[in-house]
Amino acid sequence: NAGVTQTPKFQVLKTGQSMTLQCAQDMNHEYMSWYRQDPGMGLRLIHYSVGAGITDQGEVPNGYNVSRSTTEDFPLRLLSAAPSQTSVYFCASSYGGIATNEKLFFGSGTQLSVL
Amino acid sequence: AQTVTQSQPEMSVQEAETVTLSCTYDTSESDYYLFWYKQPPSRQMILVIRQEAYKQQNATENRFSVNFQKAAKSFSLKISDSQLGDAAMYFCAYRSRYSGYALNFGKGTSLLVTP
Repeated sequence: NAGVTQTPKFQVLKTGQSMTLQCAQDMNHEYMSWYRQDPGMGLRLIHYSVGAGITDQGEVPNGYNVSRSTTEDFPLRLLSAAPSQTSVYFCASSYGGIATNEKLFFGSGTQLSVL
Repeated sequence: AQTVTQSQPEMSVQEAETVTLSCTYDTSESDYYLFWYKQPPSRQMILVIRQEAYKQQNATENRFSVNFQKAAKSFSLKISDSQLGDAAMYFCAYRSRYSGYALNFGKGTSLLVTP
């Protein structure tokens, strides 16, 4: 059981470049989300999805796009990378349905540096 | 948006001793969930314990327990019989029952365990 898989694990970009962080889960989870973790800031929600075809913004969505064409995949796109986007990015998923104290399953993170 | 505050950036405990990590949150909601996540140096996010706001009984998971004070909006984590493997960043998180599973994280507390 792979759980939540993120690729790549590390990435270096130049300012202005675009790229896509991949996230896939094999647990048939309806809910998926992207967080960024900056030193001293904790994790902050970028975008989330409650099912295929449905996405919404989180706390820090500017500079990022998402789409959810399948239940399994939830890619995060950086449109024009900026140094302020240097961070560790986590994808997370959980079961949907009636809201309970559902556990979030996290990927192992992507360390992104923008020069 | 709800805010989560962890006032202790760093804590230290001796092996086999007990330590308490503090967390307070701000919300106007009456129904919500609270979590503690552990992040070891591997960067993996691991759920430690969770609490439903409607439950008066404090959650317990082996050596981990919480002191949930709803009126005071406080949710502290107690680690008993501390082990070297408990050394990690600990994040307190809040989720509204109605907000689509988004988690609001605190900034974290770094726990050092000394032999």
